[in-house]
Amino acid sequence: GAGVSQSPRYKVAKRGQDVALRCDPISGHVSLFWYQQALGQGPEFLTYFQNEAQLDKSGLPSDRFFAERPEGSVSTLKIQRTQQEDSAVYLCASSPTGDLYGYTFGSGTRLTVV
Amino acid sequence: GQQLNQSPQSMFIQEGEDVSMNCTSSSIFNTWLWYKQEPGEGPVLLIALYKAGELTSNGRLTAQFGITRKDSFLNISASIPSDVGIYFCAGPTSGGSYIPTFGRGTSLIVHP
Repeated sequence: GAGVSQSPRYKVAKRGQDVALRCDPISGHVSLFWYQQALGQGPEFLTYFQNEAQLDKSGLPSDRFFAERPEGSVSTLKIQRTQQEDSAVYLCASSPTGDLYGYTFGSGTRLTVV
Repeated sequence: GQQLNQSPQSMFIQEGEDVSMNCTSSSIFNTWLWYKQEPGEGPVLLIALYKAGELTSNGRLTAQFGITRKDSFLNISASIPSDVGIYFCAGPTSGGSYIPTFGRGTSLIVHP
């Protein structure tokens, strides 16, 4: 597609439930990033892939968060045993290289944990 | 880690007014980025700055890379209702990093 596609757009999960968020980057983009954006805050870095390799996961807040990109295109961010503090918008961005100015963000998935 | 402070936190202005916002960093940056985020959407890059003192325009938007390399400014001239959104500054997490760290944003509301 023309842009970065994320699904679902909205997700409501009961506390303790596992969730999986999907990101379809722009075709051919080698770099893929996940960000978490809490209400009233700027996006905060979670993890970065170059092709299928996860090169940086320093922003993942706990071991309940896991991301993968097995074939170097679509990526999934999984959150296990969701907690209320996980409620946020999860943004995915892709870039043709690692250049800062080449980022294109998706519209995000709004996760609400009740 | 590095911190970016944006001010003001929010602005309420009349259509046609000029807008000024700024961003300061606790450390030196070699790149500054300005993004706009509209409700329900991801941030969209507006302007990128690469050297101290650089002044770059994109339509009614003008951004400057501060000489100290610890600050940047964004100006919007003759604001219109579609300028409504949250404006974020961002810079690399560390020296040569490709991962931007974002400020908390300036929320802009334009009254017709």
